[in-house]
Amino acid sequence: LAKTTQPISMDSYEGQEVNITCSHNNIATNDYITWYQQFPSQGPRFIIQGYKTKVTNEVASLFIPADRKSSTLSLPRVSLSDTAVYYCLVERSGAGSYQLTFGKGTKLSVIP
Amino acid sequence: GAGVSQSPSNKVTEKGKDVELRCDPISGHTALYWYRQSLGQGLEFLIYFQGNSAPDKSGLPSDRFSAERTGGSVSTLTIQRTQQEDSAVYLCASSFQGGNQETQYFGPGTRLLVL
Repeated sequence: LAKTTQPISMDSYEGQEVNITCSHNNIATNDYITWYQQFPSQGPRFIIQGYKTKVTNEVASLFIPADRKSSTLSLPRVSLSDTAVYYCLVERSGAGSYQLTFGKGTKLSVIP
Repeated sequence: GAGVSQSPSNKVTEKGKDVELRCDPISGHTALYWYRQSLGQGLEFLIYFQGNSAPDKSGLPSDRFSAERTGGSVSTLTIQRTQQEDSAVYLCASSFQGGNQETQYFGPGTRLLVL
């Protein structure tokens, strides 16, 4: 299964757009890319999922180039409450089986 | 309805003892997942249950780890003869049907400390 690599940490000022890129060079045709957010002492929370091109929801956008070897999570106008760890995840499922690779996470610190 | 719940929230045990961790998934969710998160690390997939199919145990780190899911609902993760390196947060998640196109809903985790 595709190994994921993402930056260990990032800093941003409030109100800025933040882009976190994850590389997954060995992604396979049926794999999906998902991003989760985790606050301290809590379980991860789903942010967004995509397969290719661009996906947007009320909290984020996900950009996936044509070769799908990377993906970029975009958080518009971050606030202090966006300080968290963001995980990139590649998921593969088949008949009764499930494989995934979580990245080690990017710790985002939003500065006032 | 209620989210995923896990118990206990914290567990301290002595090396060599067995522990059982419980997960109550969201009602109606047929897929259930267990993960381990060591201090400062990402999530390590352990096991996956989907409906009545045999579980995918490919992520279990050793034969000391086992999991059951009774009646397609509650799941128990058992760690036998605990070791200090088993200390971690054990997270459970559930999703409606399972698979790579669904949202997983995570519980708050059980923090296990092996002395």
